[in-house]
Amino acid sequence: DQQVKQNSPSLSVQEGRISILNCDYTNSMFDYFLWYKKYPAEGPTFLISISSIKDKNEDGRFTVFLNKSAKHLSLHIVPSQPGDSAVYFCAASLDRGSTLGRLYFGRGTQLTVWP
Amino acid sequence: DGGITQSPKYLFRKEGQNVTLSCEQNLNHDAMYWYRQDPGQGLRLIYYSQIVNDFQKGDIAEGYSVSREKKESFPLTVTSAQKNPTAFYLCASSPSNTEAFFGQGTRLTVV
Repeated sequence: DQQVKQNSPSLSVQEGRISILNCDYTNSMFDYFLWYKKYPAEGPTFLISISSIKDKNEDGRFTVFLNKSAKHLSLHIVPSQPGDSAVYFCAASLDRGSTLGRLYFGRGTQLTVWP
Repeated sequence: DGGITQSPKYLFRKEGQNVTLSCEQNLNHDAMYWYRQDPGQGLRLIYYSQIVNDFQKGDIAEGYSVSREKKESFPLTVTSAQKNPTAFYLCASSPSNTEAFFGQGTRLTVV
């Protein structure tokens, strides 16, 4: 059963515009959320995270928003650049900071930024 | 350089053979993980280990085995019982269950 869901398998955005990637989760016990970026034939790289006690975290062009009541988070990329074209994975964890547990990943969204 | 090293990058296996994928990390992380990526499936957890000499099954452990004899190493064996082993395998490590750091992956193909 998929506890982290990314319902849009792909997103196409023009360079300079905003990219919004969405993620939903079902487990209300998740307390930490992460976004990873992945290029083909490479391992994912960590992008940005947010704790459940916050509703927004910003790092340069990347901002993650968390709506706990809706069990929804989103990643905003502004402005989008062609180099942002990759697969983006949403992930969640229980009991952040503990050495127990694991990350739960969504299926990913392929972002394509065109000139 | 600190990081996670997976080897080999490409691996070919004949049907019925076992094969072992290597994963080494020098980040001094306690936790290590093995994921499998298939098209449209995202990352699915095979096995994970929080400490040396201990590991737990993930969501798709059937046909796989692991060991964690050293903190730095977490090899994955794909056995002949795994019916569809062709996939991209990713190893990761983490100081806790927060940011996981991934290796570059191993592409396994059954021929």
